[in-house]
Parts: sequence; structure tokens; C-alpha cells
Amino acid sequence: GAVVSQHPSWVICKSGTSVKIECRSLDFQATTMFWYRQFPKQSLMLMATSNEGSKATYEQGVEKDKFLINHASLTLSTLTVTSAHPEDSSFYICSALSGRAQYEQYFGPGTRLTVT
Amino acid sequence: GIQVEQSPPDLILQEGANSTLRCNFSDSVNNLQWFHQNPWGQLINLFYIPSGTKQNGRLSATTVATERYSLLYISSSQTTDSGVYFCAVDSSYKLIFGSGTRLLVRP
Repeated sequence: GAVVSQHPSWVICKSGTSVKIECRSLDFQATTMFWYRQFPKQSLMLMATSNEGSKATYEQGVEKDKFLINHASLTLSTLTVTSAHPEDSSFYICSALSGRAQYEQYFGPGTRLTVT
Repeated sequence: GIQVEQSPPDLILQEGANSTLRCNFSDSVNNLQWFHQNPWGQLINLFYIPSGTKQNGRLSATTVATERYSLLYISSSQTTDSGVYFCAVDSSYKLIFGSGTRLLVRP
């Protein structure tokens, strides 16, 4: 149980285009999901907290107009990278609060984005 | 904000050896989790352990919340244990990750 999926697993796009990444909780409902970014050989950095039915909360330094987050249902959150640039190339990982243990998060397999 | 420090940063073991990974954190927390990130990037939940001791097979973890540290023990290591081990803590639902311990187990 507590399985989180992401789609796509990897994507290559051209500079200036937009990319949408989906995060789904497969066997539980997640009122809260999180988006992280991980650069090579570095740790995970929280980008934003996504709550179902409300606006996302972004961490300091994360551009909300560039990284659009939508959490339209209890099982789906999406991250759209708008007008992508090469510096946006990274590994994007989502997680969800499972509800089984109050604060325990389960993570998706990640999406590797390469902007050329 | 909360600071999370992991040690050692890198560790090389011979298959069959035991090891201890440490996580120090700077403030009281509601949650502490240990993860293993495999070579494909997937984070695998190892332990949810805000306090106390838990064991799962060859792995065990202990968190001493009053002293703000947690330990992850790996016994009889196997090559499949290779990867990066992260400790993450939170005080308000947001997980703050340590910098990780990169483990390589040689056959």
C-alpha cells in the first residue's frame, strides 16, 4: 500500500516549451502532496506543498509563475514547468501524506527533465 | 529552520560488513524518516521513526529525540544495499532532507 506514481518518468523538451508532470496516489487519498527537486549528487529540496482544492504553497526562491501546481483531486497533483530553460533540467519527485502515520510521506519514482 | 546533518558522507564496505549511519538535527521534530534512494532515483521508505527503535530484517534504526539524533544500522551488508541513504525530518509536515550518505558495498 501507499503507492505513488509519476508520469512521465523522463522527458526531453526544447527551451521555451512547457512540460507537465503528473503525480498520483494509487491506493489512498492524499489531501496533501509535495514537490521536490533534486540536482545530480545533491539532496532533495522542497519546492512546494500542494493541497487538494486550494492554492499551492511555494518555498522561498521558487517561482510560482514558472512552476504551476494543480491539485484538482484527492489522487492527482500536477506540476507544469512553463517556458522551460536548460537550468530547469533536474529530477523532480513528488510525495504524498499517506494518512497511515500522521506525518509519513511516500514518494513517487521521480521524473527526469532535460531541457535542450 | 531546522538543520539536518548526516555522517559519514561516503562509505565503502565489503559485502557482509556492518555499518552505522548517523543523522543529527537541530530542533525538536514531529517526524523522522530514513530513505534509501536506489540507482534509478526511487526513494524507498525504510523507517518512520520519530522516536524509539525499530527493526526490519537486516536494518534497524534508533532515534533519541531528546538528544536530536538518529542512527541507521545496516548489518551483513549486500551489494544491493548500495545507494544513497537520506534522513529527513519535519516540524510542520515539510520534510527537510540531510545531504545523504553515499554507500557502496563491494562484492
